Amino acid sequence: AQSVSQHNHHVILSEAASLELGCNYSYGGTVNLFWYVQYPGQHLQLLLKYFSGDPLVKGIKGFEAEFIKSKFSFNLRKPSVQWSDTAEYFCAVESSASKIIFGSGTRLSIRP
Amino acid sequence: EPEVTQTPSHQVTQMGQEVILRCAPISNHLYFYWYRQILGQKVEFLVSFYNNEISEKSEIFDDQFSVERPDGSNFTLKIRSTKLEDSAMYFCASSQDRMSGNTIYFGEGSWLTVV
Repeated sequence: AQSVSQHNHHVILSEAASLELGCNYSYGGTVNLFWYVQYPGQHLQLLLKYFSGDPLVKGIKGFEAEFIKSKFSFNLRKPSVQWSDTAEYFCAVESSASKIIFGSGTRLSIRP
Repeated sequence: EPEVTQTPSHQVTQMGQEVILRCAPISNHLYFYWYRQILGQKVEFLVSFYNNEISEKSEIFDDQFSVERPDGSNFTLKIRSTKLEDSAMYFCASSQDRMSGNTIYFGEGSWLTVV
């Protein structure tokens, strides 16, 4: 069965620090991968997605993610975080044409 | 940007009562979904819906759950006899086409508390 693992449950950083959130998936076929963000009190928003092509995907708000097929990973990165990046981040994989499976999420706290 | 809207934003209900959560998907979208997130846990897929039929459902989506499009625009999730463990945030979502190559848009969620 497909699954998504996010090993960091809570990450605390200072402003301007670099960010990398880990995501590993298990799925035998062609994968479509996503990162969603949930700001406090708000709905899930798509940060970026990978379907094919360049494995380095750029998303909104300066985020990027790299798909490494050999490592079954899709880590999220940002060179310099801001206080406004405080949120919960979810990695997800498209399991079938009609559903996606989410990881357990990583809570990011940014110290001003 | 078009949005998926959900009502109510928060509902408290007694165990055993029926609950209907409502969703207005983005107008030209054809695929609809319900997910839920129990407090502190991951977002879980419940059901997907297309052309007035369930496309796929998870093992969570048992006989106490049902979905429909009562008026051709809104999309509802009904829980017939709520249990304490149904307390969760329920997210509606929609997409224009099937998942591959298309983005799924989520609503802000309906927080259900069963007491």
